[in-house]
Amino acid sequence: QLQLHESGPGLVKPSETLSLTCTVSGASMIRSRYYWGVIRQPPGKGLEWIGSVYFDGTTYSNPSLGTRVTISIDTSKSQFSLKLKSVAAADTAVYYCVRLGYHCGAHCYSDFWGPGTLVTVSS
Amino acid sequence: IVMTQSPPTLAMSPGERATLSCRASESVGTNVAWYQQKSGQAPRLLIFGASTRATDIPGRFSGSGSGTEFTLTITSVQSEDFAVYYCQHYNTRPPNTFGQGTRLEI
Repeated sequence: QLQLHESGPGLVKPSETLSLTCTVSGASMIRSRYYWGVIRQPPGKGLEWIGSVYFDGTTYSNPSLGTRVTISIDTSKSQFSLKLKSVAAADTAVYYCVRLGYHCGAHCYSDFWGPGTLVTVSS
Repeated sequence: IVMTQSPPTLAMSPGERATLSCRASESVGTNVAWYQQKSGQAPRLLIFGASTRATDIPGRFSGSGSGTEFTLTITSVQSEDFAVYYCQHYNTRPPNTFGQGTRLEI
């Protein structure tokens, strides 16, 4: 049974880098050929797609976040990761790791979600 | 592409029929998904392709629409259905974006 688990810092200082790791269990990232992604939700607000990554390392990210976003994958560890540079208070959110729909591409709906982890940006 | 949901809040009684709307700022074909989010939980996929129910989603949930107008219908609202519902367009002019949500409350 597929499980997604987010590991995050909990608290990040302004201007520093947020690092989030998503661990996949119950499925092979290589054999399953899914795109994997990260979506965030500021407290009390709506959902924002951050980016996605394929098993071969192909990535896409939300242009609104510019060059601050880096997404990577390590299939040997069944993990994918997000790095968000130069964070500010507006980056405070619950960050969700997700699986995208099968054979649907990098910008697909998300058919499986991790429980999410709250990351707060504060000094 | 901007997704606009209405109404922001919908007050219903159990057993009633609920209709939630989502409008896209330009045509997205049938590339719309709907999610349910209960308090303190991650969203759950209900509908994709505008009208296809996801795995294990009860038959009382149905989606319709194409182009710019979409609807999520719950034929007989149950107590466990009170939550926030989001629509999302996908695979058309990235990035995919979500509506602001409709809160279904008692």
